Amino acid sequence: DQQVKQNSPSLSVQEGRISILNCDYTNSMFDYFLWYKKYPAEGPTFLISISSIKDKNEDGRFTVFLNKSAKHLSLHIVPSQPGDSAVYFCAVNTNAGKSTFGDGTTLTVKP
Amino acid sequence: DTGVSQDPRHKITKRGQNVTFRCDPISEHNRLYWYRQTLGQGPEFLTYFQNEAQLEKSRLLSDRFSAERPKGSFSTLEIQRTEQGDSAMYLCASRISGRENNEQFFGPGTRLTVL
Repeated sequence: DQQVKQNSPSLSVQEGRISILNCDYTNSMFDYFLWYKKYPAEGPTFLISISSIKDKNEDGRFTVFLNKSAKHLSLHIVPSQPGDSAVYFCAVNTNAGKSTFGDGTTLTVKP
Repeated sequence: DTGVSQDPRHKITKRGQNVTFRCDPISEHNRLYWYRQTLGQGPEFLTYFQNEAQLEKSRLLSDRFSAERPKGSFSTLEIQRTEQGDSAMYLCASRISGRENNEQFFGPGTRLTVL
């Protein structure tokens, strides 16, 4: 029973265009939603998060949207840059801060 | 470097051997987490500590696995009688409890290969 699903294993976009990564979750009790980025041979690094009481959070080129009724989370990257090419994981947290991760989406930004 | 460190970065062992991994969290972080990641999947939660107390263990953590954080600083994860299915990346993360955005800081991981 996978609580967090990233249905697209890969995404390819042109430099300068928008990248949209999607994530669905099953449990409405989660209180924080996060996105991490991972490069090969490194651990995941935090990118952006959103509390369950909000529907949008923006940080520079990165915006996370939360649709609680649809149990859906998305990350928008505008404009996309080649350095954004990495694996992106969405994660959901409970109060204890334990994270449940999706299986990741590999983003490739082409110059 | 004040990030999370893990040692060793790579470990190759034969089936049946015991292995131990070490994680040094960011010094002021009271929470420490262990995750396991296999190819094509996201990190899976194994266990976590608040200071020296182990507060939760996943069903994934069989009785061959044990973790400690004796003084509330570094932590060790031991796998006894390793099996080929234990081959994975073992990730450690730390954070301060109560931080608003709940982010965890991950180490680079220890890649275990069981032959």
